[in-house]
Amino acid sequence: GQNIDQPTEMTATEGAIVQINCTYQTSGFNGLFWYQQHAGEAPTFLSYNVLDGLEEKGRFSSFLSRSKGYSYLLLKELQMKDSASYLCAVRGNTGGFKTIFGAGTRLFVKA
Amino acid sequence: KAGVTQTPRYLIKTRGQQVTLSCSPISGHRSVSWYQQTPGQGLQFLFEYFSETQRNKGNFPGRFSGRQFSNSRSEMNVSTLELGDSALYLCASSPGQGWYEQYFGPGTRLTVT
Repeated sequence: GQNIDQPTEMTATEGAIVQINCTYQTSGFNGLFWYQQHAGEAPTFLSYNVLDGLEEKGRFSSFLSRSKGYSYLLLKELQMKDSASYLCAVRGNTGGFKTIFGAGTRLFVKA
Repeated sequence: KAGVTQTPRYLIKTRGQQVTLSCSPISGHRSVSWYQQTPGQGLQFLFEYFSETQRNKGNFPGRFSGRQFSNSRSEMNVSTLELGDSALYLCASSPGQGWYEQYFGPGTRLTVT
């Protein structure tokens, strides 16, 4: 089956850097995604990793190690608007390709 | 380009009733996936439709069903509602099946009393 673990909550200070970790187990790995979800809103796509390594996109970077079943999302120069839930999701092939989401990490950015 | 739209946005139903939710994907997108989101379980995959065919299904009982029309619009139906079905139902569209990026709609908040 598929399983995703990520911390429930994190707190960081405006201007700082925060790393949100995600570990996963899946069959037929076909990609790892990070989504941002503000309270009361729909998730929005942040990043996609299918090969090992770091993908950088502005203040956000995402890292993947397939052999370790591990990913992290790195947020730099934190802003108050970054306070949101960050969802790690994995697509695997278990009787068809399915994208499974973790429970999400609620990030609180304080001044 | 307009985003994913879902109707209705809010719905209150009674146990035992049935409900139909609608999703219109982004123009040109042919794949639609449905998710249930609750505070305790997070985002859980319901099913994916592509070219009017259900391609993948999550671990939900048969009370949950869906369909997709030739214009890619999709509906999901929940019969014999239970209190535990209260949740935010999100629809996501993508250009093709298995496309890596999904675009989510605002969701339908269903409350079962």
